[in-house]
Amino acid sequence: QVQLVQSGAEGEKPGASVKVSCKASGYTFTDCYIHWVRQAPGQGLEWMGWISTKRGGTKYAQNFQGRVTMTRDTSTSTAYLEINSLTSDDMAIYYCARQFSGSYYLDYWGQGTLVTVSS
Amino acid sequence: DIQMTQSPSTLSASVGDRVTITCRASQSLNTWLAWYQQKPGKAPKLLIYEASSLDSGVPSRFSGSGYGTDFTLTINSLQPDDSATYFCHQYSGNSWVFGQGTKVEIK
Repeated sequence: QVQLVQSGAEGEKPGASVKVSCKASGYTFTDCYIHWVRQAPGQGLEWMGWISTKRGGTKYAQNFQGRVTMTRDTSTSTAYLEINSLTSDDMAIYYCARQFSGSYYLDYWGQGTLVTVSS
Repeated sequence: DIQMTQSPSTLSASVGDRVTITCRASQSLNTWLAWYQQKPGKAPKLLIYEASSLDSGVPSRFSGSGYGTDFTLTINSLQPDDSATYFCHQYSGNSWVFGQGTKVEIK
């Protein structure tokens, strides 16, 4: 069955960087885009961007351009999200989700990774 | 960028009621709109895609409709398990935006 399994919770200091992983299984990794979505405590969902797992191309939401990098490793079917220059505003749960090529919705989601930022 | 306005932000209804949630886009989306259900501490779950298609395994009391700028999620005969927050989600021109969410509470 399709699964997206994310790395565990992270605790970082302001100004640091964090890298979250999302390992896919149960389907052909390069058939789908991987999106990243974040959810601050008690808030709604915020789309961050996507990576083409086939070609590595990316599209970032305007709010995150220049501070976020999405990458993937096709040999391990894993996508990564790196966020630089963390602030307390980045404290949130980060989700990966897949978009099957040719569709325009996110049909499977990871379990989420909590990132806390505190000095 | 397209703006999404989802309403209401919260609603309280009784078991068996019919519930309607709306999403309005600032520009036409054709049918590129999806609905998700999120329960506390869990990842969102896809309910409806392409405005009106029910995802596999989703109970038939959920339905979606709409085209262009106005979309609706309806829950017929609300059940206790439907207590959750619901988000609309649109794709347009390489940009993806979520609605603000609607929290559904059972009276």
